[in-house]
Amino acid sequence: QVQLQESGPGLVKSSETLSLTCTVSGGSVSSGSYYWSWIRQPPGKGLEWIGYIYYRGSTNYNPSLKSRVTISVDTSKNQFSLKLSSVTAVDTAVYYCARVEYHHAFDLWGQGTMVTVSS
Amino acid sequence: QSVLTQPPSASGTPGQRVTISCSGSSSNIGSNTVNWYQQLPGTAPKLLIYNNNQRPSGVPDRFSGSKSGTSASLAISGLQSEDEADYYCAAWDDSLNGPVFGGGTKLTVL
Repeated sequence: QVQLQESGPGLVKSSETLSLTCTVSGGSVSSGSYYWSWIRQPPGKGLEWIGYIYYRGSTNYNPSLKSRVTISVDTSKNQFSLKLSSVTAVDTAVYYCARVEYHHAFDLWGQGTMVTVSS
Repeated sequence: QSVLTQPPSASGTPGQRVTISCSGSSSNIGSNTVNWYQQLPGTAPKLLIYNNNQRPSGVPDRFSGSKSGTSASLAISGLQSEDEADYYCAAWDDSLNGPVFGGGTKLTVL
């Protein structure tokens, strides 16, 4: 079955760029039936949508993060990635990658990776 | 402050039926479908209900969703101890041009 797995540094210094990758296994990121998304959850808080990408490269970002976010896809590696620049402590969160189906539902999630921004 | 409004907590005893509400506006729930997620402690969220009232394969029929106007509800019947989790509603928002979430409801099984 299709699985998603996040990877990347668990600690990022303030003002630097957070970089994460999501590897898709058991399926293809090039499937035209889905979008691929990043979502985050600060400790003890709710979920926040970051953005998503289609395999052809079109993107859509949360306006509150748009100036700092870049999501890209590498179909040859079956991966998609997140870059969040100029991070601060408020960016400390568990970051999830997820698959987005037709009804805009996140129907498959990675296990999540905790990223802490240190000063 | 989340765009969709949920009660922060809910509770019930085993076997009971509980409902969790989700309130939005014309730009989200009022014009788009609602999805619900279950997040068990220490785990990633899981899709529970999509398209207002559809259950993905493997989700028990004890879970049901409904929508009316700018509000939606998740109902859990025959409450079980393993249902203790955080529940989130979500919907596409036409103003944001993206999905928005509720703040989450922590369900306690007494």
